[in-house]
Order: sequence, then structure tokens, then C-alpha cells
Amino acid sequence: NAGVTQTPKFRVLKTGQSMTLLCAQDMNHEYMYWYRQDPGMGLRLIHYSVGEGTTAKGEVPDGYNVSRLKKQNFLLGLESAAPSQTSVYFCASSRRQGVSYNEQFFGPGTRLTVL
Amino acid sequence: DQQVKQNSPSLSVQEGRISILNCDYTNSMFDYFLWYKKYPAEGPTFLISISSIKDKNEDGRFTVFLNKSAKHLSLHIVPSQPGDSAVYFCAAERDDKIIFGKGTRLHILP
Repeated sequence: NAGVTQTPKFRVLKTGQSMTLLCAQDMNHEYMYWYRQDPGMGLRLIHYSVGEGTTAKGEVPDGYNVSRLKKQNFLLGLESAAPSQTSVYFCASSRRQGVSYNEQFFGPGTRLTVL
Repeated sequence: DQQVKQNSPSLSVQEGRISILNCDYTNSMFDYFLWYKKYPAEGPTFLISISSIKDKNEDGRFTVFLNKSAKHLSLHIVPSQPGDSAVYFCAAERDDKIIFGKGTRLHILP
């Protein structure tokens, strides 16, 4: 049981390049989330999904797109990377339905640098 | 507009003593409050939660207190251990979304 995994762990991009971050979970969770963490800023929600085929915007969605074609995967895309997108990206999943509080399980993070 | 605030960026506590981490919030409509712990190069892990209708929740060495009138919650760790050195995020939940504070780095001193 791997939990939540993220690919890749590190990446360096040039301004304008595109890339996709992959998140996979093997806990059969309905809900999945993408966050970014910047120094002194905590975790900020980019996009999230409440089920296969659904996506919704979070707090800082601009410059990112997401897709949830399969329940276990949640992809985060950067179409034209900018230096402001240099950050550590965390994926999380949660069971949500039938439980009280929203305990989220996080992946190890992807460190992205945009030059 | 910061809805969840952790005003202390860092805190140092002697091993064996009590660690108290504080958090303030602005929105009275939050359903749950949660604490997450994060080690370097790892993702955050859930620590403890409290419902908005409770005022205390205890789990082993960890206790969370909620003061609704002051819109304030605190995490108490007793006794503090070296492995508790980490960044602690306070978070508040409503409508399937969680809003995180900026975190407090806890250093446990030998």
C-alpha cells in the first residue's frame, strides 16, 4: 500500500515550457487535491476533485489545469511555466464520504524550479 | 485575507516540557479544525482534529483546545520529545476544503 505518490520528485523548467505532475493514490479515495507550498505562505489549494471526472478551482488556480480521468490519478498541468510557479507541490487525497472531518493524506511533494 | 493565522513562525521548547502552538481564525462557519505535522522533504501528516462543537480533544500526548468566542485554538504537546521537532500547520475545514495557516516550526531542545 503505497498511499499517495507523486511523479516526478524534482524538475527544472525554463520559462514557457510545459509539464504535467502526476499524483496517484491506491486508497480508493474519492477526493483529491493539489496544493503549493511557498516559504512563509503555508499550503495553498490550487485545484481539487470530488470524484472521477470532476474538478474545481481552489484558492490559486491561475496558470494551472487539472484532470481526473481515473479515480486513482489526479494530474496537474502547467501550460506555460513562469518563475512565479517555482514552488513545492503537494498532492493529497481523502475518503471524505461517510466520515466527519476531512483527513487528507499527502504525497511527498514535487519540487519545481522555473528559470 | 488570511482566514487561519499562526502568528508564531517558530517556537523552541525544552525536551520534557509542554509545547503550546497557537492558531487564530476569522470565519465562524468552519466545521472542523485540524493540526498537521510536517517533516522536511515529506508531505504533511494528520495529527489531531476537533469539531467546532467541542472545546477539547485529546489523543495521547496531544490535546487541542478550541475557544470559539475568541476564535482561537491551541495544540498542547506534553511531554515534548525530540521527534516532535517539525513544522505544525493549523487548518480549518468547510465544504470539503481545508484552509491552512502558514505553520509554526517547533524546535525541541535537548
